[in-house]
Amino acid sequence: QSVLTQPPSVSAAPGQKVTISCSGSSSNIGNNYGSWYQQFPGTAPKLLIYDKNKRPSGIPDRFSGSKSGTSATLDITGLQTGDEADYYCGTWDSSLSAVVFGGGTKLTVL
Amino acid sequence: QVLLQESGPGLMKPSEALSLTCAVSGYAISTGYYWGWIRQPPGKGLEWIGAIYRTGSTYYNPSLKSRVTISVDTSKNQFSLKLSSVTAADTAVYYCGRLNSGSYYEVDSWGQGTLVTVSS
Repeated sequence: QSVLTQPPSVSAAPGQKVTISCSGSSSNIGNNYGSWYQQFPGTAPKLLIYDKNKRPSGIPDRFSGSKSGTSATLDITGLQTGDEADYYCGTWDSSLSAVVFGGGTKLTVL
Repeated sequence: QVLLQESGPGLMKPSEALSLTCAVSGYAISTGYYWGWIRQPPGKGLEWIGAIYRTGSTYYNPSLKSRVTISVDTSKNQFSLKLSSVTAADTAVYYCGRLNSGSYYEVDSWGQGTLVTVSS
């Protein structure tokens, strides 16, 4: 049981926009910004979004993050088949004094 | 560019103690950041294990805290994980990573991961 809750799967057509949600509580998302990771099978996760919608060098602006209350959202626009991957949210939990992750969302580009 | 490389045994028996090391290159641990461990059981999601600062200050996942010790050796630019009394439930790919304590502890650099299998 993950501290952060994500939908197990989402899907959309190439070129479309998809939104992945990450629900938490006041001790994590509610008072901290979330980060988002992309993971392809057999490889390590890669940081996509952190802090207030910041992207590491090389991450296209098709990926964006936002927060409302105790939920964070990852938006991916102009979907490409190469975006098919697992996506994880994560953040610091002030009550646990630990990093917490969501269970992951599998994105299928139809 | 910071690079991280995990090393350790691939196969262990139940009740043994797991020991993994993460060698860091391209960045001096003594400069800053937290350095941590994350694991992923086969077919499952990410689980944060814990992290350490250059001073030795640590944070641990409360669910693993009783069995975990993370240490740092700045002279060798590496840090290590020890997990005691392993069971089959500890079978996972173990990743080491660099955490940005100036933000919300996101992992901005990851090792390639090493699979640890616990089996009798």
